[in-house]
Amino acid sequence: DTEVTQTPKHLVMGMTNKKSLKCEQHMGHRAMYWYKQKAKKPPELMFVYSYEKLSINESVPSRFSPECPNSSLLNLHLHALQPEDSALYLCASSQEGSYSNQPQHFGDGTRLSIL
Amino acid sequence: DAKTTQPTSMDCAEGRAANLPCNHSTISGNEYVYWYRQIHSQGPQYIIHGLKNNETNEMASLIITEDRKSSTLILPHATLRDTAVYYCIVRVAGWLRPDSWGKFQFGAGTQVVVTP
Repeated sequence: DTEVTQTPKHLVMGMTNKKSLKCEQHMGHRAMYWYKQKAKKPPELMFVYSYEKLSINESVPSRFSPECPNSSLLNLHLHALQPEDSALYLCASSQEGSYSNQPQHFGDGTRLSIL
Repeated sequence: DAKTTQPTSMDCAEGRAANLPCNHSTISGNEYVYWYRQIHSQGPQYIIHGLKNNETNEMASLIITEDRKSSTLILPHATLRDTAVYYCIVRVAGWLRPDSWGKFQFGAGTQVVVTP
């Protein structure tokens, strides 16, 4: 069982819909991440939050909007997605500061399908 | 960050040790080596990491060569549940590269199949 919880596990949405993915951790980690993984490919980093502030945006299209309301929660708001955005979206968390060599811990992801 | 090279696939016999190689010939002195695995339909699972010393935990052992240009992940007694894609990643410590802190760059990984 993972200590990073992602909901929903599956999501099907149309291109005009607005939906949100949610990620939660209670390990006291202060860094949280969103990754995108296409079928049979490795995960690709999208966003990094450090102490609730966005620190890395890997040139992700604006139709993906991250939000970190507190140190335990990370959201990914979706709007006007394209069929090619269908993928597994993974959330991860890690300690920060002097322990920044610490590993990231991943959730099991949300499998997103765009119709 | 240094790139890694891993074999595309490996077969291992159940109950035997599985030795997974990773080449990171351009690694710098400040870069850590991490190993993850991803079982089908799950998120990546952390296995082990190290800088230059060999490391062991309840899941595996990590052997890093003296020149740090390669490493081997050892699963001591492979089981069918160890069938997964195994990723070797190198990453610089965050305080040394704030602009890239947090960036794990996953390679293609090694598909390991454990057979009875």
